[in-house]
Amino acid sequence: SQQGEEDPQALSIQEGENATMNCSYKTSINNLQWYRQNSGRGLVHLILIRSNEREKHSGRLRVTLDTSKKSSSLLITASRAADTASYFCVTVGAGNNRKLIWGLGTSLAVNP
Amino acid sequence: EAGVAQSPRYKIIEKRQSVAFWCNPISGHATLYWYQQILGQGPKLLIQFQNNGVVDDSQLPKDRFSAERLKGVDSTLKIQPAKLEDSAVYLCASSSGAGGFGNQPQHFGDGTRLSIL
Repeated sequence: SQQGEEDPQALSIQEGENATMNCSYKTSINNLQWYRQNSGRGLVHLILIRSNEREKHSGRLRVTLDTSKKSSSLLITASRAADTASYFCVTVGAGNNRKLIWGLGTSLAVNP
Repeated sequence: EAGVAQSPRYKIIEKRQSVAFWCNPISGHATLYWYQQILGQGPKLLIQFQNNGVVDDSQLPKDRFSAERLKGVDSTLKIQPAKLEDSAVYLCASSSGAGGFGNQPQHFGDGTRLSIL
């Protein structure tokens, strides 16, 4: 089945720097969601952005959505070692289908 | 609010044996999901329920996997017989379903780590 694509696949930065991850998709969407997964744990929801929204903020997180380019980005500002995790995007299809498509994830390492 | 509960946390079985996982979603959540996550990969949706009806099971290997959600609350996922490639973490998630399924965030349990010998 189709997969969303995140890039980069892996990212290593120093504490205090900003981290940007991108997600591209192929079909029309109802919404796009970002999740974080710490090693060996379940996923935690970060932000949901709907197709008619362009930007959302939550604390140090900023998500943008460009439906014309079928892409989204997640920005983490002033990163901390605790932000070390894998980050996934998932799209929910438009219309009655509402099909879920998960990306392959970006592995973020924040070095103290 | 209690989170999504899954059991067991770990399971080790031999190939060709059967195994079952249990999930108790957040109270009142209409939508329940089962995912398979192989090490180093993203989650793969196996089946999605809306109340006790199946919304999407297109990626469920139906020759060996089955799932049910009795009375629209708890759910069980079964594998019979297991193969080596089924070694993975099985995640359960639920969402409120408000505004239609897929319109609300998913809340995940910690998963069941399955090892096939």
